[in-house]
Amino acid sequence: AQSVTQPDIHITVSEGASLELRCNYSYGATPYLFWYVQSPGQGLQLLLKYFSGDTLVQGIKGFEAEFKRSQSSFNLRKPSVHWSDAAEYFCAVGAPVQDKLSFGAGTTVTVRA
Amino acid sequence: SQTIHQWPATLVQPVGSPLSLECTVEGTSNPNLYWYRQAAGRGLQLLFYSVGIGQISSEVPQNLSASRPQDRQFILSSKKLLLSDSGFYLCAWSVLSREEQYFGPGTRLTVT
Repeated sequence: AQSVTQPDIHITVSEGASLELRCNYSYGATPYLFWYVQSPGQGLQLLLKYFSGDTLVQGIKGFEAEFKRSQSSFNLRKPSVHWSDAAEYFCAVGAPVQDKLSFGAGTTVTVRA
Repeated sequence: SQTIHQWPATLVQPVGSPLSLECTVEGTSNPNLYWYRQAAGRGLQLLFYSVGIGQISSEVPQNLSASRPQDRQFILSSKKLLLSDSGFYLCAWSVLSREEQYFGPGTRLTVT
């Protein structure tokens, strides 16, 4: 079965600085990869997804992620964070033979002024 | 467009009382449906999922149960709540099980 690791539990970044969140997956073939964001007290919102093709994926809210097969990674990036980006971020992986997605434990992002 | 509803938004229940949380999806047919729980300070825990009416898969054996009485309705129940059932409950749907899931707004359950 596939699995996901988000090595960073909590990241603090200054407003206007760049942000990178790490995600590593375990799966034998090319997985389906996702990034979600969750603001406090709300449901999860899909930021972007990767199924195949171009390994650099653009998403909503100015986020992008890059699929690197050699590193089994799908890191999320944003060039300049806004205070509204403070939230929890989840990486998830899906596979053709599975009935469900596997989610990472999440990374909490704090944005300081 | 598709919409997912959950209710109630918040719920405070005493220990030992029953529970019923409802999730409804609009604008799609035969969705895959999922129930997750987030305990305080913890990640997502998949509780149940369903790929069709009457088909329920349980991920975590506990005092919760799920039912899918209609194509786009998913219900989470308990006969007797425990303190440990407190948390944030999320319902989600997808077209295909390997593809993206779309989440509802969640229900905050506090068991006292």
